[in-house]
Amino acid sequence: EIVLTQSPGTLSLSPGERATLSCRASQSVSSNYLAWYQQKPGQAPRLLIYGASSRATGIPDRFSGSGSGTDFTLTISRLEPEDFAVYYCQQYGSSPGTFGQGTKLEIK
Amino acid sequence: EVQLVESGGGSVQPGGSLRLSCSASGFTFISYAMHWVRQAPGKGLEYVSAISSNGGSTYYADSVKGRFTISRDTSKNTLFLQMSSLRSEDTAVYYCVKGTGRGYNYVYFDYWGQGTLVTVSS
Repeated sequence: EIVLTQSPGTLSLSPGERATLSCRASQSVSSNYLAWYQQKPGQAPRLLIYGASSRATGIPDRFSGSGSGTDFTLTISRLEPEDFAVYYCQQYGSSPGTFGQGTKLEIK
Repeated sequence: EVQLVESGGGSVQPGGSLRLSCSASGFTFISYAMHWVRQAPGKGLEYVSAISSNGGSTYYADSVKGRFTISRDTSKNTLFLQMSSLRSEDTAVYYCVKGTGRGYNYVYFDYWGQGTLVTVSS
């Protein structure tokens, strides 16, 4: 089973700043099958990125994903107030699919 | 519009049973594998179980194997999770999730229900 480690655990930034979230896999993720989800308090997760870099339907272009192999990054170019949430990565290139432990993005 | 609506959560004593349901609409239910993902209070996401589009294949996390049973009723567009021998560590919000393929491998999750809370406590 592939273990995903997200860093940092908590990221404190201000609106308008750039956010960079990391997801590192214990072994190479096949076909870069990596997704990112956003979860706000009391809500279900929402798909942001799949295939490491493809934005899901309706996701603003300030969200971008990159990376390959074992190292992946979610970048939010200019933080909006509604972007402060918890972000999870998920690999689905090997069974079972696994989630990272999450990064909390909080307002500084 | 895709909608996934869970029901059946509640409080149960250790060793008890509960059946979760998920009513699906807005997509061709028989064409997609379906999944359950849970989240313990204040914790991260845990992949629990999955069933292929035709119901012929199932997956269970080791933590629930032998205690949980996933099934689907394609005539009613409904997904189920029968949970028995419940433990305190099963306390979580359970999400019904739509995958992006007929099988449950190599898929990401494009739609999530709002979740239903299961509390296991004496």
